[in-house]
Amino acid sequence: QVQLVESGGGVVQPGRSLRLSCAASGFSFSNYAIHWARQAPGKGLEWVAVISHDGSYKHNADSVKGRVAISRDNAKNTVYLQMNSLRPEDTAIYYCARDLVSSGGFYFDYWGQGILVTISS
Amino acid sequence: DIQMTQSPSILSASVGDRVSITCRASHDLNNYLAWYQHKPGKAPKLLIYKASTLETGVPSRFSGSGSGTEFTLTISSLQPDDFATYFCQQYNTYWTFGQGTTVDIK
Repeated sequence: QVQLVESGGGVVQPGRSLRLSCAASGFSFSNYAIHWARQAPGKGLEWVAVISHDGSYKHNADSVKGRVAISRDNAKNTVYLQMNSLRPEDTAIYYCARDLVSSGGFYFDYWGQGILVTISS
Repeated sequence: DIQMTQSPSILSASVGDRVSITCRASHDLNNYLAWYQHKPGKAPKLLIYKASTLETGVPSRFSGSGSGTEFTLTISSLQPDDFATYFCQQYNTYWTFGQGTTVDIK
């Protein structure tokens, strides 16, 4: 069955960097776009970034522009979210999710369970 | 940016009740609206896409309606497994989510 498993979260000091991973299984990974979304404590979900099936298209939310980079390794069935210059407001549960299509432009048909990232000194 | 306003934020109901949740968009979504169910510690689950199309395997007590900027998720007869948080998502222009509605036991 389709599985997405996030890892790499934890407690990080403000200003530092963190790389999250999303390991996929149960489907032909290289055929699908993948997204990252996050949910801060007490807030609604916020879309963060998307990468197309082959990595040729990437797009970030304005709230993280310049601080976040999404990438993927289709040989490892993994998508990464590199987050730099972390701020307390980046504290959230981060989810990866599969887009319905390869280019990324539809809804998310599968999600991971999420990983907690806490930015605190 | 498209803003999504979801209401209510909390809905208290009993097993067997008919419940409805609304999402309003700041722009016409061309029906590119999805609904999800989310339980604590679990992966969100897709229920409905294109405003009213039921995802395979989702019970028929769930339905979606609406068009343009106003959309509704209805559960016709609430079951014990349905107590959860529900949120909408627009995918007409990038992606934006509603704030979520927690359905809890009355």
